[in-house]
Amino acid sequence: ETGVTQTPRHLVMGMTNKKSLKCEQHLGHNAMYWYKQSAKKPLELMFVYSLEERVENNSVPSRFSPECPNSSHLFLHLHTLQPEDSALYLCASSQDASLRTDTQYFGPGTRLTVL
Amino acid sequence: GQQLNQSPQSMFIQEGEDVSMNCTSSSIFNTWLWYKQDPGEGPVLLIALYKAGELTSNGRLTAQFGITRKDSFLNISASIPSDVGIYFCAGQGSGYSTLTFGKGTMLLVSP
Repeated sequence: ETGVTQTPRHLVMGMTNKKSLKCEQHLGHNAMYWYKQSAKKPLELMFVYSLEERVENNSVPSRFSPECPNSSHLFLHLHTLQPEDSALYLCASSQDASLRTDTQYFGPGTRLTVL
Repeated sequence: GQQLNQSPQSMFIQEGEDVSMNCTSSSIFNTWLWYKQDPGEGPVLLIALYKAGELTSNGRLTAQFGITRKDSFLNISASIPSDVGIYFCAGQGSGYSTLTFGKGTMLLVSP
């Protein structure tokens, strides 16, 4: 395994379902991120974790709940989502979020459809 | 918040042509990054720029960090069909999580 992996790659869920997205990085990085990518909009940063501590939460609705059990794994728990939450959810990792020269590397994303 | 204006929104060119796209910002950035995203995949880093005025190449790609630190451009020379995709610029300020993305430039290359 190399880089940043995400599972599942595709997910269809109803508004009352509970599901989780998983991200794993094999780069030895200390920071991990969740982004939302919707059509015709810039990538929206949702959450940032540095050394397993959440350092930023960009006013994301509580129906999205992140979890970072260790520096290699990041989860996004989903509950009672809305159809407008349908998007590509991207995970990224970087060496150290506090470094000026820090660079983020992305996973392939999970295409989420909420019915 | 910070916003990036990326242009053009899309380009349709012939194979072999050169391509240029750019990003401008109202704010100063410390780092400029250029990513490419293929359909169904996540963005892949192409070039990272860390100093104002820096000019960096990666094969047929060349990117520059503007002197004012408020802009950057990406050039692709002698385009080929596999260059097709969406190209994103991203600017990074100081501190945590200040990576701001442009809306992307969709590039289509005709053989």
